Amino acid sequence: DTGVSQNPRHKITKRGQNVTFRCDPISEHNRLYWYRQTLGQGPEFLTYFQNEAQLEKSRLLSDRFSAERPKGSFSTLEIQRTEQGDSAMYLCASSLFGHGVAQETQYFGPGTRLLVL
Amino acid sequence: RKEVEQDPGPFNVPEGATVAFNCTYSNSASQSFFWYRQDCRKEPKLLMSVYSSGNEDGRFTAQLNRASQYISLLIRDSKLSDSATYLCVVNSRYNNNDMRFGAGTRLTVKP
Repeated sequence: DTGVSQNPRHKITKRGQNVTFRCDPISEHNRLYWYRQTLGQGPEFLTYFQNEAQLEKSRLLSDRFSAERPKGSFSTLEIQRTEQGDSAMYLCASSLFGHGVAQETQYFGPGTRLLVL
Repeated sequence: RKEVEQDPGPFNVPEGATVAFNCTYSNSASQSFFWYRQDCRKEPKLLMSVYSSGNEDGRFTAQLNRASQYISLLIRDSKLSDSATYLCVVNSRYNNNDMRFGAGTRLTVKP
């Protein structure tokens, strides 16, 4: 399967614990996005990378959240001191920007469903 | 007011029906527009981009009205497999890093 993959698919944790999610984008894609989605809502943008550079962070991304993409390939999203309000689906998407592509299209991974007890 | 608004539905239609979804957006500077489909507990998948002149892909037709800041999706001859949530997506920037998703319209096609 050459699509976007995310691990783990499900995570249950206790409030106050730290969690880390991983996203492996489509191999030739240079952009990687993180979104959060809660029930009945569309995905909300958190942050994105172009290669290894983190170019933008949403105001939704509190200082408990940190994302990295150290080698411009896979990315990790860490949430420190989790709160019950962090319970959501965390989606990763990747895209190819530039390189003669007429319109950037984001392809989503299956998501990591987080439940904070 | 939300940046992208959709009728949440649900729309319950019989097989073979034609159904239309509407979406309005608030940012007049929005550059590109999409419809994504999301099945229950799955990731969103691109259904189609929406172009100014309108575009069609099989049974699906998308329209854009920039003056009214309005996007539509028409599904003809509905199939059971069309049951899903349809997300309207608007990007306010040329380089696609400001995608704003609507909350989605839920469609159920019944036999």
